[in-house]
Amino acid sequence: LAKTTQPISMDSYEGQEVNITCSHNNIATNDYITWYQQFPSQGPRFIIQGYKTKVTNEVASLFIPADRKSSTLSLPRVSLSDTAVYYCLVGSPGWAGKSTFGDGTTLTVKP
Amino acid sequence: GAVVSQHPSWVICKSGTSVKIECRSLDFQATTMFWYRQFPKQSLMLMATSNEGSKATYEQGVEKDKFLINHASLTLSTLTVTSAHPEDSSFYICSASSRRYTDTQYFGPGTRLTVL
Repeated sequence: LAKTTQPISMDSYEGQEVNITCSHNNIATNDYITWYQQFPSQGPRFIIQGYKTKVTNEVASLFIPADRKSSTLSLPRVSLSDTAVYYCLVGSPGWAGKSTFGDGTTLTVKP
Repeated sequence: GAVVSQHPSWVICKSGTSVKIECRSLDFQATTMFWYRQFPKQSLMLMATSNEGSKATYEQGVEKDKFLINHASLTLSTLTVTSAHPEDSSFYICSASSRRYTDTQYFGPGTRLTVL
């Protein structure tokens, strides 16, 4: 069961790029890495998922080094509406190994 | 695609009553569904995992007789909180996954339960 570790909080300003790193030292061979965004009193929203190297979509990029023991979510040009809690989740197909949410990173974007 | 709904979005009940929460995958068939609980300013805590047509697997410390989970079809799972007490008040969130979507978990909007 892969345990994840993230910084508790981060501050940024509008227009800046934000990088949030998640450590998952005991990630298994079949595990994918998925990042979610959560606003208060809402369910987590899928942001991006990857297995290795780099993945990019319309809202974020995900960088995964060769050893896959960590991953970095990159949010380009953040806005006030990006203020939220961000979680990384590690799990394998079928979730046979289950999944455990870490404490997440509270990102505060300031004007 | 990959939309998950929950009903109700919030519920208030008296202590000792039972409450049922529905979780539906609207546009895909969910191989597996998950139920989480989240207390204020805390992370999500997995309660149980269920596959269609089989019994749910509960996490350690979660009372299966108190939190009844029924995964009756590939698009519907229900969580029933039996004999609810104030300490059961929480935010309950379900998620669903499908191999069609590389087993990504897609989450519902959550249900706020308040037990008086």
